[in-house]
Amino acid sequence: DIQMTQSPSTLSASVGDRVTFTCRASQIISSWLAWYQQKPGKAPKLLISKASSLESGVPSRFSGSGSGTEFTLTISSLQPDDFATYYCQQYNSFPFTFGQGTKLEIK
Amino acid sequence: EVQLVESGGDLVQPGRSLRLSCGASGFTFDDYAMHWVRQAPGKGLEWVSGISWNSVGIGYADSVKGRFTISRDNAKNSLYLQMNSLRAEDTALYYCTKDFFKTLGGSYFDWWGQGTLVTVSS
Repeated sequence: DIQMTQSPSTLSASVGDRVTFTCRASQIISSWLAWYQQKPGKAPKLLISKASSLESGVPSRFSGSGSGTEFTLTISSLQPDDFATYYCQQYNSFPFTFGQGTKLEIK
Repeated sequence: EVQLVESGGDLVQPGRSLRLSCGASGFTFDDYAMHWVRQAPGKGLEWVSGISWNSVGIGYADSVKGRFTISRDNAKNSLYLQMNSLRAEDTALYYCTKDFFKTLGGSYFDWWGQGTLVTVSS
């Protein structure tokens, strides 16, 4: 199975900050990576597919990059609504695996 | 708008069975693969099982292989998960999710239901 490792596990930041999350795959997955946002008590929401393709309706302050085994999700200027947990997921091969998540907290 | 509504979650004893259902609306159900993804309390996300649009392609996580069976009824716009020989470690919120694609093999999840809670405990 492909292991997905996210770092950091927790990130404290302030409104207006630029933040970057990292996701590493244990094998090459090309660009077959998705990012999700999950708020407490809610279902995850798809933000980005194919490593860098922003889903319709997702604010442009979110961006994704990377290929191969290393990927990043960047929020250019944090808004209050962005404090949540973020997961990466590889869809290069079965079984589809998620990272353990990065929790973004208010500093 | 896409809606996925799960049902069937319950408190069950270890070794017993449970069947989850997911009703879909707002899209052409038989144009897409569907999946179940679970989340144990306070934990991360785990893909459980997926099924292609025509039920030909089916996949399971190793943790549930041989115990869980996924199926769909395109006439009823419904997805199912038959869960047998349940274990304490199957305790989780089970999400029904829609695949971006029609077939399995490279799946990500563009719509999610709100989940149904399965608790396995004596």
